[in-house]
Amino acid sequence: DQQVKQNSPSLSVQEGRISILNCDYTNSMFDYFLWYKKYPAEGPTFLISISSIKDKNEDGRFTVFLNKSAKHLSLHIVPSQPGDSAVYFCAASASGSARQLTFGSGTQLTVLP
Amino acid sequence: DAMVIQNPRYQVTQFGKPVTLSCSQTLNHNVMYWYQQKSSQAPKLLFHYYDKDFNNEADTPDNFQSRRPNTSFCFLDIRSPGLGDAAMYLCATSRVRGVSYNEQFFGPGTRLTVL
Repeated sequence: DQQVKQNSPSLSVQEGRISILNCDYTNSMFDYFLWYKKYPAEGPTFLISISSIKDKNEDGRFTVFLNKSAKHLSLHIVPSQPGDSAVYFCAASASGSARQLTFGSGTQLTVLP
Repeated sequence: DAMVIQNPRYQVTQFGKPVTLSCSQTLNHNVMYWYQQKSSQAPKLLFHYYDKDFNNEADTPDNFQSRRPNTSFCFLDIRSPGLGDAAMYLCATSRVRGVSYNEQFFGPGTRLTVL
């Protein structure tokens, strides 16, 4: 049973436009959500996070939105750049643990020049 | 630079031949994790060390073991690799205290091939 789902395996956007990556979760105990970016042959790199007490967190071109009632989060990248092309993983963790991460299956973002 | 290092980056082994993957960190984080990632799938947690305490995920096969001789190093031992164990193995670290929110830092991974 997948507790974190990324339903779009791939997404293509034009350079300069907005990229929106979506993630849904089922476990109401999750209280911390993260986005990781992964290039081929490298480990995931932390991008941005949000705790469940917030509904938005922004860092430069990256913004994460959390809708707890819908158990949905999204990552917005604006403007998108060709260097943003990578696999993006959504992950979630719950308190009272070693903060183990449960990952989604990833979305391959391709930013076209 | 503080980092998570995994060796080797690529490992080829034969069916049934034991293999050990290593991970080291210079971040002085108290928690170390091992994940298995198969192609186009989510990284899957195998186990983690919270300080010296070993925590196994319920569905991690007995074939997989881990050792953490000190804060900086952690090893993944696969006792009898099968073809289904071919995957990318990712090591990650985090500083976890109480209910703190902290991201995990990942190494570059070891790509395991089983012949």
